[in-house]
Amino acid sequence: NAGVTQTPKFRVLKTGQSMTLLCAQDMNHEYMYWYRQDPGMGLRLIHYSVGEGTTAKGEVPDGYNVSRLKKQNFLLGLESAAPSQTSVYFCASRSKTTLRETQYFGPGTRLLVL
Amino acid sequence: QKEVEQDPGPLSVPEGAIVSLNCTYSNSAFQYFMWYRQYSRKGPELLMYTYSSGNKEDGRFTAQVDKSSKYISLFIRDSQPSDSATYLCAMRGTNAGKSTFGDGTTLTVKP
Repeated sequence: NAGVTQTPKFRVLKTGQSMTLLCAQDMNHEYMYWYRQDPGMGLRLIHYSVGEGTTAKGEVPDGYNVSRLKKQNFLLGLESAAPSQTSVYFCASRSKTTLRETQYFGPGTRLLVL
Repeated sequence: QKEVEQDPGPLSVPEGAIVSLNCTYSNSAFQYFMWYRQYSRKGPELLMYTYSSGNKEDGRFTAQVDKSSKYISLFIRDSQPSDSATYLCAMRGTNAGKSTFGDGTTLTVKP
């Protein structure tokens, strides 16, 4: 199992450009999340999904869109990048089971917006 | 005020020391409590998980939850240089809910 993978690992954008971050998981997890992590601010939830075809806003959704067309993939889009979106983005997935915690994170995507 | 407050650190201890990492929270609905470890330039990895109140031990790590005080702790015994990382507490109210994270405490264990 590869677990949670993220593409790309690093990207530089100019203000106003668009891009899509891809998250893929091979654990058949129902829940998927996108977070951003900034220095001293922990992890902040951008958007999340509780199943294929469903998405919901998190704590800091403005400027981002998401789609979950397939259970194993969760895409995060930036339509018009801004310097304030410079951050490290983490994807995570989690099973619905309550028997034990099963949230796994990807390795992160470092995004620099100039 | 944030829902989850974590001791900011940074924390520097000698090898072999006992480390205590702490978080407080304000939402009494939280039932699931997690500790994650994050090495530099890596994603967080789940370290400990506790449902409701009580203690949980796994090797050198012990997680404590005191719901009456809205306080959780992670203890690391016989700390090792390999424990040097940022530790994040997280919690949520229901299994289907979203987790809220603390800002993290950076720990350095010196040989």
